Amino acid sequence: RKEVEQDPGPFNVPEGATVAFNCTYSNSASQSFFWYRQDCRKEPKLLMSVYSSGNEDGRFTAQLNRASQYISLLIRDSKLSDSATYLCVVNRGSTLGRLYFGRGTQLTVWP
Amino acid sequence: DGGITQSPKYLFRKEGQNVTLSCEQNLNHDAMYWYRQDPGQGLRLIYYSQIVNDFQKGDIAEGYSVSREKKESFPLTVTSAQKNPTAFYLCATEGAGARETQYFGPGTRLLVL
Repeated sequence: RKEVEQDPGPFNVPEGATVAFNCTYSNSASQSFFWYRQDCRKEPKLLMSVYSSGNEDGRFTAQLNRASQYISLLIRDSKLSDSATYLCVVNRGSTLGRLYFGRGTQLTVWP
Repeated sequence: DGGITQSPKYLFRKEGQNVTLSCEQNLNHDAMYWYRQDPGQGLRLIYYSQIVNDFQKGDIAEGYSVSREKKESFPLTVTSAQKNPTAFYLCATEGAGARETQYFGPGTRLLVL
C-alpha cells in the first residue's frame, strides 16, 4: 500500500466552481500534513499546511481526519490561475523527517 | 536573494557518462534532499543529508551518489549505473522544527542522448 494516495483526477471545472480533493495516508503515526501545488514543468510549492482543527487560507480550506487517515482540500470560487497539480504530502513528524508525496491531482479551470 | 538554486536547468547525458547536478542554498537549512519525478509519478527520494559530511540513501539510491562537504551544497551525481536516468530532478531543503516543511529548487531536467 502506498504511503499517500490521492484522487486520480483529472478535474476539469468552470471558473467559479467549488472543487474538492481527497487524500488518504497509511501511517497512523504521521504528524504533519501539507498540500503543495505544482505548475506544469515547475517545482512543487507549499500551498498550505493542514492542521488538526482544519484551516482556511482565503479560498482554500484544508481538513484532516486522523481517525480515517484522510486529508482534504477544498477550493472555492475557482480561478483560471488555480489550474495546476495538487500534491498531498505527509511528513513522518520526526525532526528533519521525510516527506511522502502523493502522485497529485490535476486541476484545470476553464473560462 | 535567498533561496535554492539548481543547475543546469537542462542536462543531456550520453551513454556511459556520469553527470553531476548542482544544488546550492543560502537558507541556512541543515537538511537537504534529492528527489526524482517521472511523468505521472509522485516524487521519489534518492538521497538526503541532515548534516554536513553525512547523508543517507532514500528509496531509489541505486545508480546515484552524493556528497555534503558544505552546508550550502548538496550535489548529485547520476552514474552510468543508473540505466533510466531521464527524469525531473528536484532538490529541497528543510529547516529545523517538527512542523517545518520542505522548499524546492527549480529542478533539473535530465535527458539521455
